[in-house]
Amino acid sequence: ETGVTQTPRHLVMGMTNKKSLKCEQHLGHNAMYWYKQSAKKPLELMFVYSLEERVENNSVPSRFSPECPNSSHLFLHLHTLQPEDSALYLCASSQDGSRSNYGYTFGSGTRLTVV
Amino acid sequence: GQNIDQPTEMTATEGAIVQINCTYQTSGFNGLFWYQQHAGEAPTFLSYNVLDGLEEKGRFSSFLSRSKGYSYLLLKELQMKDSASYLCAVTAGSYQLTFGKGTKLSVIP
Repeated sequence: ETGVTQTPRHLVMGMTNKKSLKCEQHLGHNAMYWYKQSAKKPLELMFVYSLEERVENNSVPSRFSPECPNSSHLFLHLHTLQPEDSALYLCASSQDGSRSNYGYTFGSGTRLTVV
Repeated sequence: GQNIDQPTEMTATEGAIVQINCTYQTSGFNGLFWYQQHAGEAPTFLSYNVLDGLEEKGRFSSFLSRSKGYSYLLLKELQMKDSASYLCAVTAGSYQLTFGKGTKLSVIP
């Protein structure tokens, strides 16, 4: 356990379903992130929240919708996904953005399969 | 834009030394991270370099040359448990870490 908890660990959903991924951090960090990790591709930054405000949104399709109700919790709401959205979705947190000497603390990820 | 290159796969023998290279071209640079990721697990922090030179931490060392846009991760006395992917990541802004594709290291007996 890294201090960043993601649920569920595995999710299979149909293209017409609506689901949500949850992330919780217990480290007192003030920034949280969603990353997508696909096979043979680099980790792709999707969303950044700092002090509960979205500070970056890297051209992510609107079928992915983030929510950050407080500094400890981050959600990724999913609807009408495509098979190519199947990937490992990683949540991370950090103190003071990426300038921290310790970088990010990652959760173990949610393995999403869209059928 | 950001571009980070590292080898896709490497194989090394238990007890040996292996060097994983990373080259980057970025608009701006604040620092470079190395992460380790075992299959199905979270990436975990290994090292952070912001100044040129070598940072040593036990069996792992990381080197940075900002003028060359180059870093390497050195693993000594390899153990089977070191089999994992090693991710090079560069930070150029306040919040964005940009990652390479990762190097999958296989340690063989």
